[in-house]
Amino acid sequence: DIQLTQSPSFLSASVGDRITITCRASQGISSYLAWYQQRPGRAPRLLIYEASTLHSGVPSRFSGSGSGAAFTLTITSLQPEDFATYYCQQVHTYPVTFGPGTRVDV
Amino acid sequence: QVQLQESGPGLVKPSETLSLTCTVSGGSISGGFFFWNWVRKSAGKELEWIGRIFASGDTNYNPSLKSRVSISIDTSKNQFSLTLNSVTAADTAIYYCAREAVSAAAYDSWGQGALVTVSS
Repeated sequence: DIQLTQSPSFLSASVGDRITITCRASQGISSYLAWYQQRPGRAPRLLIYEASTLHSGVPSRFSGSGSGAAFTLTITSLQPEDFATYYCQQVHTYPVTFGPGTRVDV
Repeated sequence: QVQLQESGPGLVKPSETLSLTCTVSGGSISGGFFFWNWVRKSAGKELEWIGRIFASGDTNYNPSLKSRVSISIDTSKNQFSLTLNSVTAADTAIYYCAREAVSAAAYDSWGQGALVTVSS
């Protein structure tokens, strides 16, 4: 299976900050990477697919980049509702796998 | 806007079968544009993909669970279902159903999740 690692695993930030989360794959996955946000007690929410395509309705402060085995999720001007856990997911090779998550907290 | 909702027993005894259903509203499960997935999250572990089904009934399963899992679809009820046999405490998790857009290969709609505890 393709393993995904995320860094950092925990990030302390403030409203208005710009943050970057990194996701690395154990082998090349082209651009077959998605990013999800999960708030406590809620279902995951798709933010980015195909590494850099913003899902419909997602604010433009979210952006994704990368290809091959290294990817980043950037949030510019962090808002109160952005404090959550973020997961990457590879859909290049089955079984689909997810990263361990990055918790963004105050 | 499509909505997904999981339902089923919240407590299952060890060695028995876990069964969950996902009801889809606001859209047809029969359309050929989506896969219908099950994903779970155990405490302290990563999100784990269980498997998926297409409207035609074609399925894909995670090899780690393939011997114990089955996913079916009922287009007349706009539902798809998960069964997991011979459960143990390690199968205790929040189980999510999710829609995967064929064109985007990402899960664009998720259910709220159903907590299933395996315990005697």
